[in-house]
Amino acid sequence: DVQMTQSPSYLAASPGESVSISCKASKSISNNLAWYQEKPGKAHKLLIHSGSTLQSKTPSRFSGSGSGTDFTLTISSLEFEDFAVYYCQQYDEYPPTFGAGTKLELK
Amino acid sequence: QVNLLQSGAALVKPGASVKVSCKVSGYTFTDYYIHWIKQGHGKSLEWIGNINPYSDYTNYNEKFENRAALTVDKSTNTAFMDLSRLTSEDSATYYCTRCGYYFSRFPCYFDYWGHGVMVTVSS
Repeated sequence: DVQMTQSPSYLAASPGESVSISCKASKSISNNLAWYQEKPGKAHKLLIHSGSTLQSKTPSRFSGSGSGTDFTLTISSLEFEDFAVYYCQQYDEYPPTFGAGTKLELK
Repeated sequence: QVNLLQSGAALVKPGASVKVSCKVSGYTFTDYYIHWIKQGHGKSLEWIGNINPYSDYTNYNEKFENRAALTVDKSTNTAFMDLSRLTSEDSATYYCTRCGYYFSRFPCYFDYWGHGVMVTVSS
């Protein structure tokens, strides 16, 4: 299985700041990488697929980059609603696998 | 709009089975594969398997292959996951999701998720 290593596990920031989350695959996955947001009481939300393509209704302050093995999710100018847990997921091969998650907390 | 409505929480005894449902609406049920995901408490996400609602074709993660059974009822637009021989390791939240690609058997991202069903395995 493709191992997805996500870092950091925890990230504290303030509204208005920019943050980045890293996701590294154990082998090349081309650009078959998605990012999700998890919030209590809400369904998981797909933010980005294909490494950098914003899903419909994803705010433009979210961006994704990378290909091959190294990927980054960047949130510019954080808003209160962005404090959540974020996961990366590869879908280059079966089984699809996820990173361990990054909890973005309010500083 | 697309909605995946899952059944309520379940408390089951070790060794027993649990069947979780996922009723979809807002799109043609047979046009998109349904995938099932497990999330242990405070843990990450793990892919269980998927099903083609049109043909009933299934594909499983080896880890769950002998215990998970995915089915659909096209008459009610509902997908089911049956997990047998439960242990405490199966205590988790189980999500149904929709593949983001139209009618694709290939690995995919998940564009819609249910809210999840919490399954607790305890005597």
